[in-house]
Amino acid sequence: AQRVTQPEKLLSVFKGAPVELKCNYSYSGSPELFWYVQYSRQRLQLLLRHISRESIKGFTADLNKGETSFHLKKPFAQEEDSAMYYCALGFHMDTGRRALTFGSGTRLQVQP
Amino acid sequence: EAQVTQNPRYLITVTGKKLTVTCSQNMNHEYMSWYRQDPGLGLRQIYYSMNVEVTDKGDVPEGYKVSRKEKRNFPLILESPSPNQTSLYFCASSPAGTHEQYFGPGTRLTVT
Repeated sequence: AQRVTQPEKLLSVFKGAPVELKCNYSYSGSPELFWYVQYSRQRLQLLLRHISRESIKGFTADLNKGETSFHLKKPFAQEEDSAMYYCALGFHMDTGRRALTFGSGTRLQVQP
Repeated sequence: EAQVTQNPRYLITVTGKKLTVTCSQNMNHEYMSWYRQDPGLGLRQIYYSMNVEVTDKGDVPEGYKVSRKEKRNFPLILESPSPNQTSLYFCASSPAGTHEQYFGPGTRLTVT
């Protein structure tokens, strides 16, 4: 079965410190992976998708198929990065249903 | 502005009183879905729709109904709400051929 695991519920760092939010997935097919961010009292927004290999707001994420990981990284955290981060796996089921399975989320707190 | 809207944003109701949460998108997306977000559980898909008049169950469909009579609208219906349906609900839409989803602002529902 498809599964996304985010092992940390909370990650607290100081401003300027490096950040790594962990995400591991379980999927037998070819994965499509995303990071979504939810700032306080706002809707979820797409932050990154692995197929575009882009850097948004200084964040990057590399798909490691050998380790089945898609960790989110930023070299220098900013206070405005404080938010809830969700890793998500996109896949198709046998029925044709397009599904997006989310991890349980990691709250990032960046302290001044 | 391209967006997904939900109404109401906040709702407090009593057990057994039927309610509908509306969802509308103006991006001509084929795919729409409903999620509930609960602490420690992340987002779980309730129902989804691949196009007009095509709906199917997600991971947690019990106690919910949906309809898709028009492409832009995808209401979520709780025929007889119960306290365990107290949650934060998100509607999302997605164009064909991608798992990337655009989320609404959320509806916080409390059932007493």
